[in-house]
Amino acid sequence: DIVMTQSPDSLVVSLGERATINCKSSHSLLYRSNNKRYLAWYQQKPGQPPKLLIYWASTRASGVPDRFSGSGSETDFTLTISSLQAEDVAVYYCQQYKSNTYTFGGGTKVEIK
Amino acid sequence: EVELLDSGGDLVQPGGSLRLSCAASGFIFNNYAMSWVRQAPGKGLEWVSGISASGGSTYYADSVKGRFTISRDNSQNTLYLEMNSLRAEDTGVYYCAKDFAQGEIRPFSFDSWGQGTLVTVSS
Repeated sequence: DIVMTQSPDSLVVSLGERATINCKSSHSLLYRSNNKRYLAWYQQKPGQPPKLLIYWASTRASGVPDRFSGSGSETDFTLTISSLQAEDVAVYYCQQYKSNTYTFGGGTKVEIK
Repeated sequence: EVELLDSGGDLVQPGGSLRLSCAASGFIFNNYAMSWVRQAPGKGLEWVSGISASGGSTYYADSVKGRFTISRDNSQNTLYLEMNSLRAEDTGVYYCAKDFAQGEIRPFSFDSWGQGTLVTVSS
C-alpha cells in the first residue's frame, strides 16, 4: 500500500496568518501519461463528515475559498491556508488515489492561537 | 443538491453480520463510482471499499477483504455494504461517499459524503 505521512500532527496559528500542512507519499502519485497528481485534501470539523477541498493536488473543489491552495511534486505535497479564519479550525487529511487501495494521511489538527 | 443517507449501523457481537445502506439522490447515481470510508472513535479516516459506476468492478482494503462485500442497485439509487465476521477493530462511523469524477472505472476522491452510521462491535 502507498503510505501517506502528514506533518505536523497539530498546528496553532494566529488569525490571518498562514498555515502550511505537509503530506509525503511513499510512492510517486504522478501519472506521467496524463501529468496528473492523484492526491486530494479534505477538511473535517468535529461531528461532521469530511469535505473535499482539493483534488488533482491543486484543483479547488466547488465552493472552496481561494485562501486554500494545494501544491506538490511526485511525493511531497502541501496544503496552504493563506490567511487563517476562525471557521478553518478543523482536522485536515490528504488522500492518494493513484493506487486502488486508497489511503489517507493521519491528519493535521489546526487551531487558533 | 446531492444527498447521501447512510443507515444500518448497530451494536453487534464479534463474529456477527450487518448490512449498511446508502440512499442517494440529487445526482445521476449510475454515473459515479462510490465508496465506503470509516472512522474509528477519535481516529483518522480509513477507506474500506469502492465500486465502479456500473457495479462491475469492486475494490477492498486488505483489512476487510473476504469479509465485506460492496454492491449497488442503480435502479434504486442505493449503495450497500455487507459486513460479515465482524471484529472489534471494525467499530466506527461508516460514511458512504460519492466520487468527484463521472464515469470512471474506479473511485478517485470523494466530493459528497453521508452523515455516517455508527457500527459498534462488542460483546
